Amino acid sequence: AQSVTQLDSQVPVFEEAPVELRCNYSSSVSVYLFWYVQYPNQGLQLLLKYLSGSTLVESINGFEAEFNKSQTSFHLRKPSVHISDTAEYFCAVTPPGQGGKLIFGQGTELSVKP
Amino acid sequence: NAGVTQTPKFQVLKTGQSMTLQCAQDMNHNSMYWYRQDPGMGLRLIYYSASEGTTDKGEVPNGYNVSRLNKREFSLRLESAAPSQTSVYFCASSEIGKSEDTQYFGPGTRLTVL
Repeated sequence: AQSVTQLDSQVPVFEEAPVELRCNYSSSVSVYLFWYVQYPNQGLQLLLKYLSGSTLVESINGFEAEFNKSQTSFHLRKPSVHISDTAEYFCAVTPPGQGGKLIFGQGTELSVKP
Repeated sequence: NAGVTQTPKFQVLKTGQSMTLQCAQDMNHNSMYWYRQDPGMGLRLIYYSASEGTTDKGEVPNGYNVSRLNKREFSLRLESAAPSQTSVYFCASSEIGKSEDTQYFGPGTRLTVL
């Protein structure tokens, strides 16, 4: 079985500051890793995912995440956040061949203040 | 192109009442999913449908039933609602249903059971 732990339930930061949202997972088999974002009063949307290859993956809006197999982590970072990044961020995993049955972490609320 | 739509947006039920949550997607996706989102617990998979005509249990299926009416529609039914089913329900779809697929989420239904 797999599990996901997001170590911070809330992360307040000031605009233009860097941010890191932490995600650790537990699994006895290899997994695919995802970050989804939920803006206020909306459904989730994919931010980025790691399937294979380069361990650093990037999104179109400046976020990046690095897969670290030895530490079983997939932390999300952004060097300079905007007010519009205020949202809840979910880390999720699923093993290959599981038909998209995602296992989600608890979520991290990112609050960007001016 | 509306993506994934859900009705209703809000619902209040009394214990023991029944209701059906509706979901439809217009992206010609094969796979569809129902999740519930509870504070501090992230999203948990209730049921999924890998393709038209098939359904299977997820992590928390007790108290729910589903129907894949056709390729576009996937409904979730609560036969006898309980306060523990107070939650936000999200429907999602994906193109093929493989683990690496991106899932596309609807805006959610906020359900309160008194």
